[in-house]
Amino acid sequence: KAGVTQTPRYLIKTRGQQVTLSCSPISGHRSVSWYQQTPGQGLQFLFEYFSETQRNKGNFPGRFSGRQFSNSRSEMNVSTLELGDSALYLCASSLVQASLGQVFGPGTRLTVL
Amino acid sequence: GQNIDQPTEMTATEGAIVQINCTYQTSGFNGLFWYQQHAGEAPTFLSYNVLDGLEEKGRFSSFLSRSKGYSYLLLKELQMKDSASYLCAVRDETDKLIFGTGTRLQVFP
Repeated sequence: KAGVTQTPRYLIKTRGQQVTLSCSPISGHRSVSWYQQTPGQGLQFLFEYFSETQRNKGNFPGRFSGRQFSNSRSEMNVSTLELGDSALYLCASSLVQASLGQVFGPGTRLTVL
Repeated sequence: GQNIDQPTEMTATEGAIVQINCTYQTSGFNGLFWYQQHAGEAPTFLSYNVLDGLEEKGRFSSFLSRSKGYSYLLLKELQMKDSASYLCAVRDETDKLIFGTGTRLQVFP
């Protein structure tokens, strides 16, 4: 079966702009988690969605938001971009429990200029 | 607070054995994961420990001591393709995964 897909794979934005990233989970997976990966901080949990509801949230400012659709596809949005938002954004899907059996997508590389 | 420590970089020779350590202090503990991440690729699952002891899976083994807040990943018969980052992550009481910053392993011929 197809893996987790993320679009776009690469994105360049300027400070102050907003961006929307998309994640399509593995078919049948209902939980989608988002992570930010930077060289200095490693992988940091942003939030998790299950059945269109945010089930868990990390320690990121309100500029970072997300949603999940009825087909389990998820989007995350970052408003008022800052230089420090440059990172690899990874989404991961799993059947029910977020951390168990989690499969990661290839990520979206966001560069903020 | 949540804290997971692992060495930043390690080097080893093809055919050798390497042990990557991970120590953690988290609010609650519901298991520890190891992931492998090749440069430019997604992390892939290697192992999951929830009870103390050693879990062996082919050339890779993972050990956990909950009382010491300690785990290690053991890689035997190293191959060039094992050059990657190895991420230690703890599942906390809210089911969040807390990751360490990763250990970059370089295998030399």
